[in-house]
Amino acid sequence: NAGVTQTPKFQVLKTGQSMTLQCAQDMNHNSMYWYRQDPGMGLRLIYYSASEGTTDKGEVPNGYNVSRLNKREFSLRLESAAPSQTSVYFCASSSPGTYNEQFFGPGTRLTVL
Amino acid sequence: LAKTTQPISMDSYEGQEVNITCSHNNIATNDYITWYQQFPSQGPRFIIQGYKTKVTNEVASLFIPADRKSSTLSLPRVSLSDTAVYYCLVGGQGTGGFKTIFGAGTRLFVKA
Repeated sequence: NAGVTQTPKFQVLKTGQSMTLQCAQDMNHNSMYWYRQDPGMGLRLIYYSASEGTTDKGEVPNGYNVSRLNKREFSLRLESAAPSQTSVYFCASSSPGTYNEQFFGPGTRLTVL
Repeated sequence: LAKTTQPISMDSYEGQEVNITCSHNNIATNDYITWYQQFPSQGPRFIIQGYKTKVTNEVASLFIPADRKSSTLSLPRVSLSDTAVYYCLVGGQGTGGFKTIFGAGTRLFVKA
């Protein structure tokens, strides 16, 4: 099992460009999450999806949209990237019936110039 | 959502036991307490989770007092490879799903 995979690993964007970060999990987890982590800081929840077909805002949703494409995949879209969105983005998933036991992907390092 | 407070950093030596305490005064009845470990350039990794009293697994113990307003992660006999950031989270299933808050974490530095 690959666990949680994220693509791309690195990305550089110019201000105003758009892009989609992809995340997939093969653990049959119901819930999936997107976080961002700024240098020296903890993770902040952007959006989460409790189950297929549902999404909800986390702490810092502004400037982002998400799509829970199916049970395996949860994508994060930046419609018009800003330098403030320069960060490392982590996707995670968790199994039903447990609280906060999340499995994380390797992260996407995004730089917006 | 319950907010957590942890020490910013801690130093230890190899072979010592390390205890990291987390305060969560506003923990809700259905919240669990979870600890994660994060190495540089990697995603966090689950260490241990508990609701009350004591939980132990192969890598750590988690002590939770009766009022659940704090918790202590105990790492027995740390090694250099335990140098990492440790996060305490409280959270549970709110309406429609899970919500979690990662604080700034505790940077543990283990010295030889």
